[in-house]
Amino acid sequence: TQLLEQSPQFLSIQEGENLTVYCNSSSVFSSLQWYRQEPGEGPVLLVTVVTGGEVKKLKRLTFQFGDARKDSSLHITAAQPGDTGLYLCAVGQGGKLIFGQGTELSVKP
Amino acid sequence: DAGITQSPRYKITETGRQVTLMCHQTWSHSYMFWYRQDLGHGLRLIYYSAAADITDKGEVPDGYVVSRSKTENFPLTLESATRSQTSVYFCASRTRVSYEQYFGPGTRLTVT
Repeated sequence: TQLLEQSPQFLSIQEGENLTVYCNSSSVFSSLQWYRQEPGEGPVLLVTVVTGGEVKKLKRLTFQFGDARKDSSLHITAAQPGDTGLYLCAVGQGGKLIFGQGTELSVKP
Repeated sequence: DAGITQSPRYKITETGRQVTLMCHQTWSHSYMFWYRQDLGHGLRLIYYSAAADITDKGEVPDGYVVSRSKTENFPLTLESATRSQTSVYFCASRTRVSYEQYFGPGTRLTVT
């Protein structure tokens, strides 16, 4: 059983569409991170959310941490081909990061 | 160069050979990590290190050896490579106080 369940696993959309990616767990976390991995590169940290109910914005990306700090969502407005990549949520546990399986996003022009 | 670097970026080796993947970071981060990434398995932790001379197993350590004699370097050795070790390998580092990790560009290893 995965500690973090991401959905959907795959998402293929047209440029200009909106989308939401979810990261869910039954456990409570002190913080949660989102990473993006572009093809052929290593993951890059996008944001860390810490407070329950917190909303953070990064240009067209909006991140939310659930009130109970068990889940998080990533919403992309007006997706562009440059948003294509693997989106990973992660939480710290015992000195290590535990990653979700990822959401593979493809944005077609 | 500043940051975290991996070498080589691409490597082809034969079954049974020993191969070492290098990771170097210039931030003096305490923690360093090795992951492998395969289709259908996501990122899986191989080994990690909390400081020089301190290493610990991750989720999939079998067939791998690590060492950390200096804070900035964390080499990963495949003692006798197998085809199942064909993968993309990522090194990462972080400070002692934050879980935010910084990843290298990866090494694509093919074992024939």
